[in-house]
Amino acid sequence: NAGVTQTPKFQVLKTGQSMTLQCAQDMNHEYMSWYRQDPGMGLRLIHYSVGAGITDQGEVPNGYNVSRSTTEDFPLRLLSAAPSQTSVYFCASRSGQGRTDTQYFGPGTRLTVL
Amino acid sequence: GEDVEQSLFLSVREGDSSVINCTYTDSSSTYLYWYKQEPGAGLQLLTYIFSNMDMKQDQRLTVLLNKKDKHLSLRIADTQTGDSAIYFCAAPRGSTLGRLYFGRGTQLTVWP
Repeated sequence: NAGVTQTPKFQVLKTGQSMTLQCAQDMNHEYMSWYRQDPGMGLRLIHYSVGAGITDQGEVPNGYNVSRSTTEDFPLRLLSAAPSQTSVYFCASRSGQGRTDTQYFGPGTRLTVL
Repeated sequence: GEDVEQSLFLSVREGDSSVINCTYTDSSSTYLYWYKQEPGAGLQLLTYIFSNMDMKQDQRLTVLLNKKDKHLSLRIADTQTGDSAIYFCAAPRGSTLGRLYFGRGTQLTVWP
């Protein structure tokens, strides 16, 4: 299994540009999440999904859209990039089975908005 | 205050024990987690503890939980330079699975 994969690894955007961060998992996990990590801030939840066709907002959803058309993929869209969205973005997934909330993280996408 | 709080920095000498502390607010948390992040990488689950346990030991790692005080700690025995990383405490957001509150992370630096 590849686990959780994210593309691209690095991206530079200009203010106002749009782009999609890709996330895929091959573990047949029901739950997927997007977090952003800023220095000294830990991880903050942007959006999450409990299954295909179901998404919900996290702590910091403004400026981001998500969709979940398949179990495997959970793309994050930036509609009009702003410098405040400069961050490292992590996608995570977890199984719907089991009692623990063990999440598996992708390697991250480093985004810079100029 | 924040839902999960932890100190930001810890420095220890190689061979010593490291103790990283965390406090959380959600008393309904069933499992509490420690994640490790090495430079330039994503987070990896290090260990977890169920809320009805006081202690869990896993090789060099010991997790202590004081549920009354909502205090969680991670002890690393015989700390090595390879343990240098950021350690995150995480607690579930209520009963919603797949959603975790993360602390800001503790940067552990191990000096040879």
